[in-house]
Amino acid sequence: DTAVSQTPKYLVTQMGNDKSIKCEQNLGHDTMYWYKQDSKKFLKIMFSYNNKELIINETVPNRFSPKSPDKAHLNLHINSLELGDSAVYFCASSHLRGADTDTQYFGPGTRLTVL
Amino acid sequence: QKEVEQDPGPLSVPEGAIVSLNCTYSNSAFQYFMWYRQYSRKGPELLMYTYSSGNKEDGRFTAQVDKSSKYISLFIRDSQPSDSATYLCAMGTMLTGTASKLTFGTGTRLQVTL
Repeated sequence: DTAVSQTPKYLVTQMGNDKSIKCEQNLGHDTMYWYKQDSKKFLKIMFSYNNKELIINETVPNRFSPKSPDKAHLNLHINSLELGDSAVYFCASSHLRGADTDTQYFGPGTRLTVL
Repeated sequence: QKEVEQDPGPLSVPEGAIVSLNCTYSNSAFQYFMWYRQYSRKGPELLMYTYSSGNKEDGRFTAQVDKSSKYISLFIRDSQPSDSATYLCAMGTMLTGTASKLTFGTGTRLQVTL
């Protein structure tokens, strides 16, 4: 009964390759997110989707393209991978608690290593 | 200057100690405040959230927010070795009726020793 799941857990690939990471949530949430956590553990928002509509697009290279086939899924496709893309990528989904508080729940992460 | 400042530690305390973790922030637009716990090689896990100044208690954990000073704290009473993890503060802003943006601190690594 995993709440937010990601596949794969580990991904090792060569520079220049294209790869995808998948995320699914079974919490019934409307909003999903992608975060990047670098080697210093700093967690930074990349994208947010609400009901398949893009809400947040931070300053992320356009080699990164999120895709939301339905509100329970948010995938991340990365083209032409670079060494600096090595990081842990977390998916999250959120549940609105009242008018001014939103609670985000995180997946287990995908550790991407680019060689 | 970063929007959210958090001492990375590591912070090492003996079992049973009271732990105090802190963050400061500069953006007055932040509306609510959260603490996440992250074990090694795991995703962040929500511990506490609050949207007003004051204290909120949940078991051994107390979250404190002082909006006038732009300062938040997490206190852990009777710390246990299982509390050893990285603690991330997060500041939230509602963007739409159903989406928010969280800005995280860099995390404080806590080690509770026997």
